[in-house]
Formats: sequence, structure tokens, C-alpha cells
Amino acid sequence: DAGVIQSPRHEVTEMGQEVTLRCKPISGHDYLFWYRQTMMRGLELLIYFNNNVPIDDSGMPEDRFSAKMPNASFSTLKIQPSEPRDSAVYFCASSQVWNTEAFFGQGTRLTVV
Amino acid sequence: AQTVTQSQPEMSVQEAETVTLSCTYDTSESDYYLFWYKQPPSRQMILVIRQEAYKQQNATENRFSVNFQKAAKSFSLKISDSQLGDAAMYFCAYRSPYSGGGADGLTFGKGTHLIIQP
Repeated sequence: DAGVIQSPRHEVTEMGQEVTLRCKPISGHDYLFWYRQTMMRGLELLIYFNNNVPIDDSGMPEDRFSAKMPNASFSTLKIQPSEPRDSAVYFCASSQVWNTEAFFGQGTRLTVV
Repeated sequence: AQTVTQSQPEMSVQEAETVTLSCTYDTSESDYYLFWYKQPPSRQMILVIRQEAYKQQNATENRFSVNFQKAAKSFSLKISDSQLGDAAMYFCAYRSPYSGGGADGLTFGKGTHLIIQP
């Protein structure tokens, strides 16, 4: 398997624009997680899905953030409108079941100017 | 909620020497999972080692081993024969065994930046 695949690797956008980050989890993994990494706050869990269903989105910072998982092989994280404080590295991760390690994608570095 | 603390923002070690990275956590659960992840400059998060709390034996993966002290809620990582490629950020992480309610995600420490001196 190619591992968790995220796109794009880098995204630079202007404040107010819509940003969509994409993730393809490892085939057969039932759990998908979206994390955000910043220097100030470290790694934070934003939302996770189990069998394509969002289970907990309490980590999503505000209504500007939304995530979907239309099928087992694809998920998106959308920010609309984007703000400079959204600049961070966004990771997608997947795991087979709840008690195993999570495998991470290479992350998307988002810069909002 | 569980918390994970890494008290060493940065550590430095000579190549070929041994270094230990500290991690403590707080939880009321009796069963859980602990992990060490490595994040090199490429920013890829790479699993180094995992430990199940119900196992008394410390996990080992080649040059990497842990010292798991359940009563003290301590989970340190020892790297033997340090190599230049070990230079990275190291994150300690906790995972609850219970599904749902936000418990399925990993709770991470703030990380330790490991420098390898040639």
C-alpha cells in the first residue's frame, strides 16, 4: 500500500479564499483522523471518522472548518473563508481499528496571507 | 481528559551514544496504548515504537526501547548507538482503548527536538 496520501503538499492562499485539503487513507482502515500542527499548540485532533461517519468534531476550531468523507477512500477538510491564523500543517491519518497505531500522511502546509 | 507531557524541549547527544527522552502522562484509565512518533525535517510522522499498558515487558525495536513505568505514568524512549538519521522531533502519544467520544484520537505531547552531534 502507498500509505496515507494527502494533497496538496503545500498551499498558499489569500485570506478569505476557500481551501480544500484532500486525503486518501490506507485501504482497509476504518478510522480517519484530521490533525493540525502549529508551533504554539502542537498536534491537535480536529475531527475523526469511523466507517465514513464523523464521530467527533469537537476539535474543529469554528464553523469555517468542515470535513467530509463521502466514501472509504477519500476525505476532505475545507476552510471557508480562510484566515491567516489557519496557517499550519494539516495531517490526515488512518488506523485499522481503534486500538492500533495511526499512520500519517505527509501533511499539507497551509499558508494564508 | 488525558494529558501527555514531554519536559525536554530539546536534547543533544553525540553520535553513537545513548539518549533517553522523557514522557509522562495523566489518565484515569487502566488500559491504554502509548506510542513514540518521529518527525524528521520532511515532517512525515513515523511510528517508532508502541506499548500496550497491559504488557509488563518493555517494547523494543532494534536500537529503540522504552522504559514503561505504569505506576509512575512514565514512558521514556531510549535510543542506543545514536545515528545522524535519528535527528528529528520525537512525540510521545497516548491512545485510549475505549471507542467514541473523542477517545479514539491520539493525544500528543509537545515534542522533544533531538540533535545528533557528529
